[in-house]
Amino acid sequence: ILNVEQSPQSLHVQEGDSTNFTCSFPSSNFYALHWYRWETAKSPEALFVMTLNGDEKKKGRISATLNTKEGYSYLYIKGSQPEDSATYLCAFRAGGTSYGKLTFGQGTILTVHP
Amino acid sequence: GAGVSQSPSNKVTEKGKDVELRCDPISGHTALYWYRQSLGQGLEFLIYFQGNSAPDKSGLPSDRFSAERTGGSVSTLTIQRTQQEDSAVYLCASSTTRRKTDTQYFGPGTRLTVL
Repeated sequence: ILNVEQSPQSLHVQEGDSTNFTCSFPSSNFYALHWYRWETAKSPEALFVMTLNGDEKKKGRISATLNTKEGYSYLYIKGSQPEDSATYLCAFRAGGTSYGKLTFGQGTILTVHP
Repeated sequence: GAGVSQSPSNKVTEKGKDVELRCDPISGHTALYWYRQSLGQGLEFLIYFQGNSAPDKSGLPSDRFSAERTGGSVSTLTIQRTQQEDSAVYLCASSTTRRKTDTQYFGPGTRLTVL
């Protein structure tokens, strides 16, 4: 059973604060690591797909880093805005015959207060 | 363009009844996935389709669950004799293929409540 863990479970920040969350995943048989943002009553929105050790991805104020050797990824949000409030999910994709199946963490619930 | 759509958005049913959940993937996407999120749990994989065949059904929790895909497009997830533990949000996703960098695009989900 693959274990994907995210921390913290929830986070409350003030508008303008920068924040970061962690995703831990198995360091063996790594294939890809996905980040999603899921707002209530909406579809999960893809943020990043990361495949190489040392990868850094950026989309506006959101960025992510990847360390496959030690099995973790960080997601950073610079200058948080209320519209960033959502659940942030990471998902691990193993190599081999997993046929693209994603194993998700429990998510980090971010609340940004005006 | 149109994203992944799912219907119904909400379904309330009585224990023991059968339900069908529908997924319309993004046009041209050959890979289709079903996941669900039960209360307090993370998203869990149920089944994967490549075209009309299902090479990985490993996540289906019991033989009451089945899924099919026709014409390489629409998929239906059927739950027979529903139980209260089947209550969850059922999400469908599609991708162009199953390459390493492919993004899985999700629909809005069907919230199933079994009374």
